[in-house]
Amino acid sequence: AQTVTQSQPEMSVQEAETVTLSCTYDTSESDYYLFWYKQPPSRQMILVIRQEAYKQQNATENRFSVNFQKAAKSFSLKISDSQLGDAAMYFCAYRSATGGSEKLVFGKGTKLTVNP
Amino acid sequence: GAGVSQTPSNKVTEKGKYVELRCDPISGHTALYWYRQSLGQGPEFLIYFQGTGAADDSGLPNDRFFAVRPEGSVSTLKIQRTERGDSAVYLCASSPQPPPGEQYFGPGTRLTVT
Repeated sequence: AQTVTQSQPEMSVQEAETVTLSCTYDTSESDYYLFWYKQPPSRQMILVIRQEAYKQQNATENRFSVNFQKAAKSFSLKISDSQLGDAAMYFCAYRSATGGSEKLVFGKGTKLTVNP
Repeated sequence: GAGVSQTPSNKVTEKGKYVELRCDPISGHTALYWYRQSLGQGPEFLIYFQGTGAADDSGLPNDRFFAVRPEGSVSTLKIQRTERGDSAVYLCASSPQPPPGEQYFGPGTRLTVT
């Protein structure tokens, strides 16, 4: 079974600075998808960024980018120019690309605080 | 357009009671998912529907949990003989197509069993 580990329960960053959230995963599959979701206090999960494992190029979405290291099974999220609205829980998630299971497997999350 | 909606937003029930949680997916989305998020944890998969049928129910913890989606749209998660350990936020998500369709989440139902 696949597992996702987020080793940082909490992180903090100064407004306008850069922060990196860590994620590692364990799988025997070669084809899969990785995601970062943001969950504000409203509870609604919002997709931040997605990476297909077959793509070597790291995904980027505005101020959000990832460092995908397939051999190391590492998938970190970098947030540049942090804003107060970035404060939330961040979850790393894995989904198999092989047939059958569409479920997301989530890590335990990292609580990000942005200080003004 | 409208996102995924879930009702009720909060539900308090007594141990041993029966509860139903409702999910209205985004119109036209064929895939629907239920997850459970306990305090301080990430969401855990419960069940996945493709159309009206449950394509994967491997995450349902026991036979007290059951979900239906009779017309391929609205889904109801049903919990019998609730236990205090069932207290959690129950999240629903929908997706427009088979992979790699993005899963769009609703705001969840917070269930508290006293």
